[in-house]
Amino acid sequence: DAKTTQPPSMDCAEGRAANLPCNHSTISGNEYVYWYRQIHSQGPQYIIHGLKNNETNEMASLIITEDRKSSTLILPHATLRDTAVYYCIVRVHGNAGNMLTFGGGTRLMVKP
Amino acid sequence: DAGVTQSPTHLIKTRGQQVTLRCSPKSGHDTVSWYQQALGQGPQFIFQYYEEEERQRGNFPDRFSGHQFPNYSSELNVNALLLGDSALYLCASSSDLNEKLFFGSGTQLSVL
Repeated sequence: DAKTTQPPSMDCAEGRAANLPCNHSTISGNEYVYWYRQIHSQGPQYIIHGLKNNETNEMASLIITEDRKSSTLILPHATLRDTAVYYCIVRVHGNAGNMLTFGGGTRLMVKP
Repeated sequence: DAGVTQSPTHLIKTRGQQVTLRCSPKSGHDTVSWYQQALGQGPQFIFQYYEEEERQRGNFPDRFSGHQFPNYSSELNVNALLLGDSALYLCASSSDLNEKLFFGSGTQLSVL
């Protein structure tokens, strides 16, 4: 699976949009972009994933550049409960094992 | 519908001892993966079980072994514990029909 690069930390004001970037310049054509987050003392939680089209669900939006070498996770109205470590992961589907390769992630601090 | 459950939540062992951690997958899931998360780092894949067989394995020594039961629950065994085995051990379940992984809250293992 391709490697990803994320900023180690970011701050965001409560109620504002949080935009978390991820670089994955070596991504292959069949690799999806996944985002998980880990709130303190909990296991990682799935947020969203996409291949090349932008995606939106009840938690967030995922914007993938046309060349697929980078993406941005958008939390439209961040709350204090969104404070967590956010992991960007790229992987193929159907890969026997569903193994996720986690990097260091971005520690997002949402401030009042 | 219960999610992924792990037991115990916390455990203290001494060097050289053996430990068994347990995981019950989310209802409807037949695949269980185990991850090790050291303090301040992202989770690292240990192995995955499907149909009671180890399907994929990460870069962990043979001291780490596992088992999956007919009801899809799983155990992680670690022999000859080292101080460096102190970590949060996470269990994740999934189904081959769904690419998302659902994680439990983990077992915090301390080796003294």
